[in-house]
Amino acid sequence: NAGVTQTPKFRILKIGQSMTLQCTQDMNHNYMYWYRQDPGMGLKLIYYSVGAGITDKGEVPNGYNVSRSTTEDFPLRLELAAPSQTSVYFCASRTPGQGEQYFGPGTRLTVT
Amino acid sequence: GNSVTQMEGPVTLSEEAFLTINCTYTATGYPSLFWYVQYPGEGLQLLLKATKADDKGSNKGFEATYRKETTSFHLEKGSVQVSDSAVYFCALMNNAGNNRKLIWGLGTSLAVNP
Repeated sequence: NAGVTQTPKFRILKIGQSMTLQCTQDMNHNYMYWYRQDPGMGLKLIYYSVGAGITDKGEVPNGYNVSRSTTEDFPLRLELAAPSQTSVYFCASRTPGQGEQYFGPGTRLTVT
Repeated sequence: GNSVTQMEGPVTLSEEAFLTINCTYTATGYPSLFWYVQYPGEGLQLLLKATKADDKGSNKGFEATYRKETTSFHLEKGSVQVSDSAVYFCALMNNAGNNRKLIWGLGTSLAVNP
């Protein structure tokens, strides 16, 4: 199993550009999450999903959108990128009832 | 509501020193408790867990005991190594009601010097 994969690893965006961060898991996990981690800070939940077709907002959803059309994929869309969205983005997944979350390697995004 | 409080870092130790990172929680019901570790440049990974009171989770020389009476889950290691330098996160999952999201502490950075 590849686990949780994320692409790209790094990206530089100009202010106002848009992009999609990809996340795929091959563990058949129902629950998937997007977090951002600012330098020296903890995790902040952006969006999460408990199954295909179901998404919900986390703590910091503004400026982002998600979709979940399949169990495997949970892309995160940034519209009109802003410098405040400079961060490292982590995708994670888990099975309901099990606390262990499996994290991807992260996408380091810089908006200038 | 549910919350997790970790001791603030950074923590700097010499190799072979004893490590304690404090974690206390607030939760309704009987949560499961976790420690995750994040090595530089990587995502988080589960270090250890405990699912009920008095359970002890252990892995890679790290231990933590689920203390319901003090609502704590402190992480300990008897002799740290340079390779233990990382950020450590305490987290809980509430097993009663809505357990869709894990509740995370802010993380504690550990630097171990040779």
